[in-house]
Amino acid sequence: DAMVIQNPRYQVTQFGKPVTLSCSQTLNHNVMYWYQQKSSQAPKLLFHYYDKDFNNEADTPDNFQSRRPNTSFCFLDIRSPGLGDAAMYLCATSRGLGGEADTQYFGPGTRLTVL
Amino acid sequence: AQKITQTQPGMFVQEKEAVTLDCTYDTSDPSYGLFWYKQPSSGEMIFLIYQGSYDQQNATEGRYSLNFQKARKSANLVISASQLGDSAMYFCAMSPGSARQLTFGSGTQLTVLP
Repeated sequence: DAMVIQNPRYQVTQFGKPVTLSCSQTLNHNVMYWYQQKSSQAPKLLFHYYDKDFNNEADTPDNFQSRRPNTSFCFLDIRSPGLGDAAMYLCATSRGLGGEADTQYFGPGTRLTVL
Repeated sequence: AQKITQTQPGMFVQEKEAVTLDCTYDTSDPSYGLFWYKQPSSGEMIFLIYQGSYDQQNATEGRYSLNFQKARKSANLVISASQLGDSAMYFCAMSPGSARQLTFGSGTQLTVLP
């Protein structure tokens, strides 16, 4: 089945130690998104790629970076995680063609713990 | 700017009964899409149903239907014949026609009682 895969599902890191979260998709979608979701809150968009075109949200901290080396993969790098970065990180994809084709399909998420 | 409002933080429903989750939205875009997602405790966001602003008919998908009232700017989700597995957080979201970003509401936690 076509899907969005996130690895690892659970990640524990130490305060200030860089961490990378991975997302891959077999849907061949043009757009890939990264969201941060804290407990009992709605997901918050960090950035997205339309093909190779990177789009950063204005309030995304510089501590968060992303790479998309090819259509299938997208990475979220947190350069110096703080305690406030502990959250669920959700990757999503969409075709990006407008209307119903903008439906976003999510991966299972990576739950990040910062010690 | 777009805004989604879900006024029910928590809802309870008896198994096999129908339940309506409320969603109102605000946008100045003439073209937009409305989405509902389900998020179980495991964390994955599961797409349920889509309604386009120009769609004449209400969207349906199995036990899910969307009660779209454009003049009132509401897009309520109706779940028929509730099942225990429907217990989850439900998010209403909107995407304006000109952009790819989703704006989410604050969510409604649905609990189905046996």
